[in-house]
Amino acid sequence: GNSVTQMEGPVTLSEEAFLTINCTYTATGYPSLFWYVQYPGEGLQLLLKATKADDKGSNKGFEATYRKETTSFHLEKGSVQVSDSAVYFCAGSETGKLIFGQGTTLQVKP
Amino acid sequence: DAGVIQSPRHEVTEMGQEVTLRCKPISGHNSLFWYRQTMMRGLELLIYFNNNVPIDDSGMPEDRFSAKMPNASFSTLKIQPSEPRDSAVYFCASSRAGASFYEQYFGPGTRLTVT
Repeated sequence: GNSVTQMEGPVTLSEEAFLTINCTYTATGYPSLFWYVQYPGEGLQLLLKATKADDKGSNKGFEATYRKETTSFHLEKGSVQVSDSAVYFCAGSETGKLIFGQGTTLQVKP
Repeated sequence: DAGVIQSPRHEVTEMGQEVTLRCKPISGHNSLFWYRQTMMRGLELLIYFNNNVPIDDSGMPEDRFSAKMPNASFSTLKIQPSEPRDSAVYFCASSRAGASFYEQYFGPGTRLTVT
């Protein structure tokens, strides 16, 4: 069946460090791919998305490129801030039903 | 624009009591999803509706859980009787139906504590 696997956390970085959170998917077709972010005490918010191969989603300095050949959608940011501390979820959808990864906790220290 | 609205935001109840969680999706969205989030199990999809019809309830833990969507602007998730292991944050989300590229919009969640 379809599944999404993301790197385990927690990830701890210093402010202004480079961030990569890996995400790979297994699907029968070509899903749309999403990154959601959850700040403490809040619901999930869409961070970015890509709907077909080679699409790049970007928002708030975060980027992810839909790589069909490696079935990956890794999240990157060039310079993280303390305010980026949150849990990040990778997700895929072929039918409108999202399949989520397990989430990766990011902690950014000043 | 109003987002997904959930009520109550916090619920504390005793084991054996009935609990009803409520959700109002974003106007114009015709898919609605109920999720449960715990530290141990992460984020789990419980059930989802398209055009008020339940499509997949395979994630509903057991018969104590039931969900309804009587119209396009309201849904409930009921637990009867509640148990301590039901303690979790329950999220409702909505999206436009019919295509994989429509993102889901999440509500703020209901934090349920069963003592």
